[in-house]
Amino acid sequence: DTEVTQTPKHLVMGMTNKKSLKCEQHMGHRAMYWYKQKAKKPPELMFVYSYEKLSINESVPSRFSPECPNSSLLNLHLHALQPEDSALYLCASSQDTTGRYGYTFGSGTRLTVV
Amino acid sequence: QKEVEQNSGPLSVPEGAIASLNCTYSDRVSQSFFWYRQYSGKSPELIMSIYSNGDKEDGRFTAQLNKASQYVSLLIRDSQPSDSATYLCAVNEDAGKSTFGDGTTLTVKP
Repeated sequence: DTEVTQTPKHLVMGMTNKKSLKCEQHMGHRAMYWYKQKAKKPPELMFVYSYEKLSINESVPSRFSPECPNSSLLNLHLHALQPEDSALYLCASSQDTTGRYGYTFGSGTRLTVV
Repeated sequence: QKEVEQNSGPLSVPEGAIASLNCTYSDRVSQSFFWYRQYSGKSPELIMSIYSNGDKEDGRFTAQLNKASQYVSLLIRDSQPSDSATYLCAVNEDAGKSTFGDGTTLTVKP
């Protein structure tokens, strides 16, 4: 298995809703990442998990809450989002915690906040 | 100054030509350098990685790295319409964090 699987692929949520994005990999990768990508912009790092522990939080607002239940799973819990949070949310994994071999990205969740 | 800068696009080349994509970075401690390809509406896909000065070839793709000049490039030989995509340069600091350039959109015209 050489894939990172993200669900759902599309999500529309209201500003008062609570939803979760899910990401799964079975490549034995030791680090997992959440990136946010707006249209025609590069991916922006949100969170990094190394060996299931949060190692980097890029000053992301608390309405985004990451969780890593085990080495294969990564969740992003969403609550009280704003319309400007609408974006493509990308999960990625890397072979080790340095990231020096590059990332494998999932197909992303396209989020629309209404 | 942005940490990773790519030559402004869009870039358009005829089918069969060589496409040249350029990237400069500001952090001298960077150790790993990548090129990702992103088709419209899709997620980025790693196509090349390079770690030491010089050239690295993989099929029609050649990555070039010059650490003294803090410069990375990607050459695509015999460009095909299927190469039309946005190419993202990324630089990794071996701390688990990759920084991406804004991307260069390439169009290969038949």
